[in-house]
Amino acid sequence: NAGVTQTPKFQVLKTGQSMTLQCAQDMNHNSMYWYRQDPGMGLRLIYYSASEGTTDKGEVPNGYNVSRLNKREFSLRLESAAPSQTSVYFCASSATGDNSPLHFGNGTRLTVT
Amino acid sequence: GENVEQHPSTLSVQEGDSAVIKCTYSDSASNYFPWYKQELGKRPQLIIDIRSNVGEKKDQRIAVTLNKTAKHFSLHITETQPEDSAVYFCAASWNDYKLSFGAGTTVTVRA
Repeated sequence: NAGVTQTPKFQVLKTGQSMTLQCAQDMNHNSMYWYRQDPGMGLRLIYYSASEGTTDKGEVPNGYNVSRLNKREFSLRLESAAPSQTSVYFCASSATGDNSPLHFGNGTRLTVT
Repeated sequence: GENVEQHPSTLSVQEGDSAVIKCTYSDSASNYFPWYKQELGKRPQLIIDIRSNVGEKKDQRIAVTLNKTAKHFSLHITETQPEDSAVYFCAASWNDYKLSFGAGTTVTVRA
């Protein structure tokens, strides 16, 4: 039982390059989330998926797209990376949306130069 | 949306002493208030949460209090130990799926 698995762990991109962050959970959770963590700013919600087949914007969605591929997998895509997207990205899942606890992955540290 | 402010940003305590972290929120509709602990280089993990119909909740050495009228909630850690050193985040939710996090408090427990 791995919980929430994110890949890759580290990534360096040049401005304008694209990439997809992968996330998978094996807890049969309905809801999945992408957060970014920046120093002094806590965690900010980028996108979430309440259930398979649905996605919605969070606080800071600009510059990102998401895909809920199936119940297990939720990917985050940066189409044209910018230095402002340098951050640590966390995927999380929860059993339901009814304010059930978030289970986080180990994070992806992304640097855009 | 929700705005959550967290204080202090850093906190240094002597081992065995208590630590208190305070958060305020802006949206009176918020009804769920979790606390997450993040050790250096690790993922955030839920340590305790409270819902708006409860004023206080305890779990061993940690407790959370909620004052809905004043729109603030606090985390109390008693008898602090070295393993309590971490960054602590409060959060508030007005929507089932949208948590707003505070900026975090770095707690250092001095031996």
